Amino acid sequence: EEQLVESGGGLVQPGGSLRLSCAVSGFTFSSYWMIWVRQAPGKGLEWVANIQQDGSNKYYAGSVKGRFTISRDNAKNSLYLQMNSLRAEDTAVYYCARGGSGGSQRPFDYWGQGTQVTVSS
Amino acid sequence: DIVMTQSPDSLAVSLGERATINCKSSQSILFIANNKHYLAWYQQKPGQPPKLLLYWASTRGSGVPDRFSGSGSGTDFTLTISSLQAEDVAVYYCQQYYTTPPYTFGQGTRLEIK
Repeated sequence: EEQLVESGGGLVQPGGSLRLSCAVSGFTFSSYWMIWVRQAPGKGLEWVANIQQDGSNKYYAGSVKGRFTISRDNAKNSLYLQMNSLRAEDTAVYYCARGGSGGSQRPFDYWGQGTQVTVSS
Repeated sequence: DIVMTQSPDSLAVSLGERATINCKSSQSILFIANNKHYLAWYQQKPGQPPKLLLYWASTRGSGVPDRFSGSGSGTDFTLTISSLQAEDVAVYYCQQYYTTPPYTFGQGTRLEIK
């Protein structure tokens, strides 16, 4: 059974940093694009970043480019999101999700339960 | 970026009745080479992560009941629930994965029981 479990969320002051993790099991992690999606309180879904199977290509939403870094460790079946220079508008539930096994043009077929990030003084 | 626009924003339907949600993309999401529309629908129940309902505009995801169906072409798509059940109360999102990045979602449609 495919499982994705996020961790690392919490309360952080504006300008601070957090590192989110997503532990994966039940499928061959290294075969899939992986994605971070966020959802601000009471709002819709926003794609944040995605990373290719071998980590060679990474893409970011304009709202986080230059502040967030996506990475993965295929040996540890883990996905990460390093978030720096956090702003109040980054407050959201962050989900990791599985993308395609070939190219990036595939839907997100499995999602974790999410981890809450709150940016506030 | 491709903008996805859903209508209506909210919808109330009686149990057993049909529910229809629309999604419009700002440009075609049809890949001519394989004749597939790069559109997905997700269901998000309160307090839960999104669940993939449909992809390629009309292919049901794993374990999705056949009362859920998708249709459309070019830039206009529809999610239909043929006979609404109580467990279908949720917010529904469409998403394009034709031009990535960025993946873009519709704003969501809240479905309630009348």
